[in-house]
Amino acid sequence: GAVVSQHPSRVICKSGTSVKIECRSLDFQATTMFWYRQFPKKSLMLMATSNEGSKATYEQGVEKDKFLINHASLTLSTLTVTSAHPEDSSFYICSARDWGQGSDEQYFGPGTRLTVT
Amino acid sequence: SQQGEEDPQALSIQEGENATMNCSYKTSINNLQWYRQNSGRGLVHLILIRSNEREKHSGRLRVTLDTSKKSSSLLITASRAADTASYFCATTTLWSGGGADGLTFGKGTHLIIQP
Repeated sequence: GAVVSQHPSRVICKSGTSVKIECRSLDFQATTMFWYRQFPKKSLMLMATSNEGSKATYEQGVEKDKFLINHASLTLSTLTVTSAHPEDSSFYICSARDWGQGSDEQYFGPGTRLTVT
Repeated sequence: SQQGEEDPQALSIQEGENATMNCSYKTSINNLQWYRQNSGRGLVHLILIRSNEREKHSGRLRVTLDTSKKSSSLLITASRAADTASYFCATTTLWSGGGADGLTFGKGTHLIIQP
């Protein structure tokens, strides 16, 4: 089955620093990946759609200069949280769709827990 | 936007009983999916039902979809302690542009199976 990985799984950083999270599709090519965030005991909220070779599409209310997304290859998308603050602490999850299978199913990564101190 | 609403928000039942969770949504959809999430972990895809389907089964799971009421239900039969998790419905919006669409998740139901 399609596998999506994320790295790191957990990260603790100081306020004001930037953190990069990687999302990789391991056994398929993903022209489109999605980034979600999840606060404790809450649901997932779509942040942005990451398109290979073009700019990401951000959901309303998500600051594109704060959450930089780069999708440089068909198997890798990165999310960089710039000048992180404690309110950015959250669980970040990516997903990818395997268009080669013609399926609507999205495959989710295991998530990255970010804690900003 | 968060259009899905699950109810109940929390459900606690005895092992062996059936668990039913409901989900409502607001826009026209392409399909509806149910996911499971163990505490602090990633999502596990359970089942996908398309807008032209009314019912689907997978093992102990049964999903129904009523597009006229914009609602879906997930039934887990003969529950087990290992079914304890949060369950989310998620939809993709029906639109004519084609291409990829992010999922809109419901608020989720936290299911606890008492051994």
